[in-house]
Amino acid sequence: EIVLTQSPATLSLSPGERATLSCRASQSVSSYLAWYQQKPGQAPRLLISDASIRATGIPARFSGSGSGTDFTLTISSLEPEDFAVYYCQQRSNWPLTFGGGTKVEIK
Amino acid sequence: EVQLVESGGGLVQPGGSLRLSCAASGFTFGTYNMNWVRQAPGKRLEWVSYITSGSSNIYYADSVKGRFTISRDNAANSLYLQMNSLRAEDTAVYYCATDGFHHWGQGTLVTVSS
Repeated sequence: EIVLTQSPATLSLSPGERATLSCRASQSVSSYLAWYQQKPGQAPRLLISDASIRATGIPARFSGSGSGTDFTLTISSLEPEDFAVYYCQQRSNWPLTFGGGTKVEIK
Repeated sequence: EVQLVESGGGLVQPGGSLRLSCAASGFTFGTYNMNWVRQAPGKRLEWVSYITSGSSNIYYADSVKGRFTISRDNAANSLYLQMNSLRAEDTAVYYCATDGFHHWGQGTLVTVSS
């Protein structure tokens, strides 16, 4: 099973600041990595698939990069609605696995 | 508009069974592969199971293999998860999601407790 490790666990930032979230895989997942946003009491929302492809309707301030074992989700300028938990997921191997999440909170 | 609506959750005793349903609308359900994902309270997301559009390929997480069965009825636009031999650690919100996880339901809560 591929283990995904996200860092940091919590990111305390102010609106307008840049957020950089990391996801590291225990073995290569090529570019088969996705990012999700989840707010309390809501289902996850797909942001990025295949490491860098924004899902439909996702603002351009969200971008993904990386391949192999190291990936990054960047939010260029935080909006109030961006404070949430973010998860990465690998789709390279069964079983599909998720990272432990990064909470982006208001500083 | 794509809609996925889960139902069938509730309180069940350890060792008991539940059948979850996911009603799909707004897209051609029979052409989509589907997933179940769960999330225990305060925990990370956990993928549970996957089924191809024609039910020819099915995968399970090790944690549920042999106890859970995924199925679908394309004529009824519905996805199912039969859960047997339930354990306390199966307590979670269960979501259905389309292939690629572009669309998710709102989830249904399963609580396993005596």
